[in-house]
Amino acid sequence: GENVEQHPSTLSVQEGDSAVIKCTYSDSASNYFPWYKQELGKRPQLIIDIRSNVGEKKDQRIAVTLNKTAKHFSLHITETQPEDSAVYFCAATRDSNYQLIWGAGTKLIIKP
Amino acid sequence: NAGVTQTPKFQVLKTGQSMTLQCAQDMNHNSMYWYRQDPGMGLRLIYYSASEGTTDKGEVPNGYNVSRLNKREFSLRLESAAPSQTSVYFCASSQTGTNYGYTFGSGTRLTVV
Repeated sequence: GENVEQHPSTLSVQEGDSAVIKCTYSDSASNYFPWYKQELGKRPQLIIDIRSNVGEKKDQRIAVTLNKTAKHFSLHITETQPEDSAVYFCAATRDSNYQLIWGAGTKLIIKP
Repeated sequence: NAGVTQTPKFQVLKTGQSMTLQCAQDMNHNSMYWYRQDPGMGLRLIYYSASEGTTDKGEVPNGYNVSRLNKREFSLRLESAAPSQTSVYFCASSQTGTNYGYTFGSGTRLTVV
């Protein structure tokens, strides 16, 4: 079955700098890769997703890139702000599979 | 548009007590899910319902039962609560399978003493 590994487990960056979180997956048939943000004490919320027919997707300060050959995808946050502090989860799945396979999460700390 | 509504938000149970966590969505989603999240940890799937009338076990189903009452509602029951079931429980729904992203409820914080 699918396995998703996420790195790093904790990432501390200076406010205004960029942050990159990387996930690798094992199932080459996986074709949908969402990213969720979970603020302390809150529910996870979908922030961006990408399908395997696209190599990159952007939404303002966040972007996701996908390398199907290497089976990894990454979340990029530019010009980080204090409100970006949260735990970020990646996930992967494929058509007809009703379960998202989750990474373990990355705690992002934005230093003032 | 409320999205996914979970009740209760907080609950304290004694070991051996039973309770049902309720979840309802108003987005006409086909699939619904129950997750648990232990402190500082990731999400673990307990049960899911791909569509009305079907339920399947996830990663950690022991000690739990579910009912997909109709398309809107998916409940999680703890028959005999144990301290190991102390956790935050999230219900989620998605349009079709997983390919349109999950919408999560606000969670139920359960403590078993």
